Amino acid sequence: DAGITQSPRHKVTETGTPVTLRCHQTENHRYMYWYRQDPGHGLRLIHYSYGVKDTDKGEVSDGYSVSRSKTEDFLLTLESATSSQTSVYFCAIRHRDTENTEAFFGQGTRLTVV
Amino acid sequence: AQTVTQSQPEMSVQEAETVTLSCTYDTSESDYYLFWYKQPPSRQMILVIRQEAYKQQNATENRFSVNFQKAAKSFSLKISDSQLGDAAMYFCAYRSRSNFGNEKLTFGTGTRLTIIP
Repeated sequence: DAGITQSPRHKVTETGTPVTLRCHQTENHRYMYWYRQDPGHGLRLIHYSYGVKDTDKGEVSDGYSVSRSKTEDFLLTLESATSSQTSVYFCAIRHRDTENTEAFFGQGTRLTVV
Repeated sequence: AQTVTQSQPEMSVQEAETVTLSCTYDTSESDYYLFWYKQPPSRQMILVIRQEAYKQQNATENRFSVNFQKAAKSFSLKISDSQLGDAAMYFCAYRSRSNFGNEKLTFGTGTRLTIIP
């Protein structure tokens, strides 16, 4: 357990509304990531962060923005939710003690856009 | 860009038997990491095993072992003595190794493993 908490765990929202998902970590890890999981696609990277206020785009970043104003929090925002953004969203961190190896994942957020 | 391919969307195995899940990848890099993650119905992503490309020896973790063929860019997972708790979606993943530290994981599409009692 790398001390990762995602909130909310489930959310239903309407098309066109803004949505923010939160990833919170308690162990001061530098690298944080947002992935989405869809059937037939595995997990795909949306955005990642390598420090406070340091973020970059992943392969499926269109329609998403992120912010990291504190080490412990990495926020993913859907500015105007669309049905194609219905997915399971995972936050991940790179473990401080294994800086060059595996990522640890949060429990996921299931987002439904109706 | 790196790609990871899992050509078996679904697999099944009798309890206590052995099953092998396939994974191939494409990269021009010589130094990287490979991973197998397990995702049970709880949705939690759990690391099963990892392999450093510079190591010739295949990684093992209890009943889980890999067959890493670097030249063939193949990274299969063997599960021995399959148990009901092994039922899950399994993802193969690739990550570059560098000094920058911000490398991303690239995932395959997953293999759903069913254990038959």
